Amino acid sequence: DTAVSQTPKYLVTQMGNDKSIKCEQNLGHDTMYWYKQDSKKFLKIMFSYNNKELIINETVPNRFSPKSPDKAHLNLHINSLELGDSAVYFCASSQGTGYTDTQYFGPGTRLTVL
Amino acid sequence: SQQGEEDPQALSIQEGENATMNCSYKTSINNLQWYRQNSGRGLVHLILIRSNEREKHSGRLRVTLDTSKKSSSLLITASRAADTASYFCATATYTGNQFYFGTGTSLTVIP
Repeated sequence: DTAVSQTPKYLVTQMGNDKSIKCEQNLGHDTMYWYKQDSKKFLKIMFSYNNKELIINETVPNRFSPKSPDKAHLNLHINSLELGDSAVYFCASSQGTGYTDTQYFGPGTRLTVL
Repeated sequence: SQQGEEDPQALSIQEGENATMNCSYKTSINNLQWYRQNSGRGLVHLILIRSNEREKHSGRLRVTLDTSKKSSSLLITASRAADTASYFCATATYTGNQFYFGTGTSLTVIP
């Protein structure tokens, strides 16, 4: 059973389009995250939700809007895609919000903006 | 920023050799974690070491932490081709609810 799943795995789209990436975890965790990994493999947190409430919102353009319909899902919607949005986006989850929690990562979504 | 830096950026060794990679960070931490990322995959947690611990073992992995130098090392003993991956350290500070990931070390183990 996949613990943290993301769809789609690959996403290729034109500049200016709007797209969504979905994430689901079946671990019963309370906290979910979105990370962006650039071409140099630098991994940076974007958002964190705990029980459907936003707890971390790093400096991310407001074109990015996370949505958490329930604590098992955290979707990422991106408006007006730009070339610089091309990256691999990872969803993750952890039991709590504390900094001693192990994070479990999804397989990633490779977004390519043309 | 708190971003950690791994050293070396890339490491290539023969199967059976030991691999050592280092992580340096900038501010006080609560704990430090090491993750592995296989090509095209998500990150997998390897080991967590708390700020009051100096050394931790898990199978072929040995992690040390020197808070006075703000550095950690990950040693993989008797490496295998399957250990080929990128390895990241992640630091958790006392304030905030997030980890700061390092830049990663790309390890290649040659069979």
